[in-house]
Amino acid sequence: DTGVSQDPRHKITKRGQNVTFRCDPISEHNRLYWYRQTLGQGPEFLTYFQNEAQLEKSRLLSDRFSAERPKGSFSTLEIQRTEQGDSAMYLCASSSTGTGSDTQYFGPGTRLTVL
Amino acid sequence: AQRVTQPEKLLSVFKGAPVELKCNYSYSGSPELFWYVQYSRQRLQLLLRHISRESIKGFTADLNKGETSFHLKKPFAQEEDSAMYYCALVAYNFNKFYFGSGTKLNVKP
Repeated sequence: DTGVSQDPRHKITKRGQNVTFRCDPISEHNRLYWYRQTLGQGPEFLTYFQNEAQLEKSRLLSDRFSAERPKGSFSTLEIQRTEQGDSAMYLCASSSTGTGSDTQYFGPGTRLTVL
Repeated sequence: AQRVTQPEKLLSVFKGAPVELKCNYSYSGSPELFWYVQYSRQRLQLLLRHISRESIKGFTADLNKGETSFHLKKPFAQEEDSAMYYCALVAYNFNKFYFGSGTKLNVKP
């Protein structure tokens, strides 16, 4: 499968714990995006990388959230001191500027439940 | 401010009937508009983008800058079209990405 992959697919944690999610984009894609989706809503933009540079970070992202893409390939999203309001589906997407098409390809998501 | 509005949460039509899923946006400049679809138990995938001006699975969407709309249309709905549809706006020059809240299309036999 050469699509975007995310790990884990599901995560249950207790309030106050830290969690980390991983996203592996399509290999030749230079752009990578993180979104959060809650029930009944569309994806909400969190942050965006072009290669290893983090170009934009939403105001939705509190200081407890951090994302990295150290080598311009996979990315991690960490949430520190989780709160119940962090429960959501976290989606990763990637795209390529090289083909001239910025179509975002989405991963299956990581569903986070904070107890 | 809501940048992308999809006024209908649910749209039910009978097989063979025309369908129109509404999308209105609020953004100055020249954004790109997209429609994404999510079938049951599958990931989000691109259906259409306005700059391609193509028809995919019988769906078309025209960008109307005067009305700031990007409605998705299909003349004859099929049962396999039942899914969640999301309208999205991207402004790469400003690194802005917005999705609507989605419309669930239910095509009845």
